[in-house]
Amino acid sequence: EPEVTQTPSHQVTQMGQEVILRCVPISNHLYFYWYRQILGQKVEFLVSFYNNEISEKSEIFDDQFSVERPDGSNFTLKIRSTKLEDSAMYFCASSTGNAGEQYFGPGTRLTVT
Amino acid sequence: TQLLEQSPQFLSIQEGENLTVYCNSSSVFSSLQWYRQEPGEGPVLLVTVVTGGEVKKLKRLTFQFGDARKDSSLHITAAQPGDTGLYLCAAYPTEGSNYKLTFGKGTLLTVNP
Repeated sequence: EPEVTQTPSHQVTQMGQEVILRCVPISNHLYFYWYRQILGQKVEFLVSFYNNEISEKSEIFDDQFSVERPDGSNFTLKIRSTKLEDSAMYFCASSTGNAGEQYFGPGTRLTVT
Repeated sequence: TQLLEQSPQFLSIQEGENLTVYCNSSSVFSSLQWYRQEPGEGPVLLVTVVTGGEVKKLKRLTFQFGDARKDSSLHITAAQPGDTGLYLCAAYPTEGSNYKLTFGKGTLLTVNP
C-alpha cells in the first residue's frame, strides 16, 4: 500500500542552524502539507502546497520557513534559523484533492538545542 | 478559529469492554476524519464521514457523524489491547479553507489485558 515517507526520523540541531526535512508523498497525490506537533499538544497545520505554490499557510509559517518540491517526488520543509521552540514532530501529508483525505507520514522529530 | 473538543481526554478500560469517544464543535464541517496515532508516529487515517447522520463501520469500530455535521462519535466494541492509542478527530470547515485540517487534542485510550 502506498505511503508517505519522511527523512530523517530524528534530527538534532543547534539553535540558529538551518534544517531541511524531507518527504516523499504518495505518488499520485497532488496536494502536499506540513503539520507539526509539539510534545503533548495538538497537531497544527503549517502549510499546504499545490501546483508548485503555497495554497495556504498558518501564522506559524513565518519567513523562517519555506517549502519546495525540487523534483517530481520530494517535498521539503526548510527552517532557516532554528529556535528552541521549533522543537517538535513534523509531519508531512498528502492528498489527491483539496478537502480530501490526508495521509500522514511517520514524522521527523526535530530537537533544537 | 474552529475548535474540535474531544472527550474524554483519557480512557483506561479492560479488554472486552465497549467504549465511546466524542468529538464536538459549535461549527459545521464539510467532512470529518478520524485518525489513530501511536507514540512517536504519524496519525493513521481510520475513516472519513461526510454526510450528516452517516454511520460507518470498520470491523469493531463504528463511526457516526451528527445530523448537523457538528459532532461525531467513535464506538469500539469488545476493545482489545491493540486498540490502545491516541484517537484524533480532524475536520475541514464548511466555509473557508479546503486545505487546512483542524485537529482535536485527542482521546488517549488504554486497553488493559
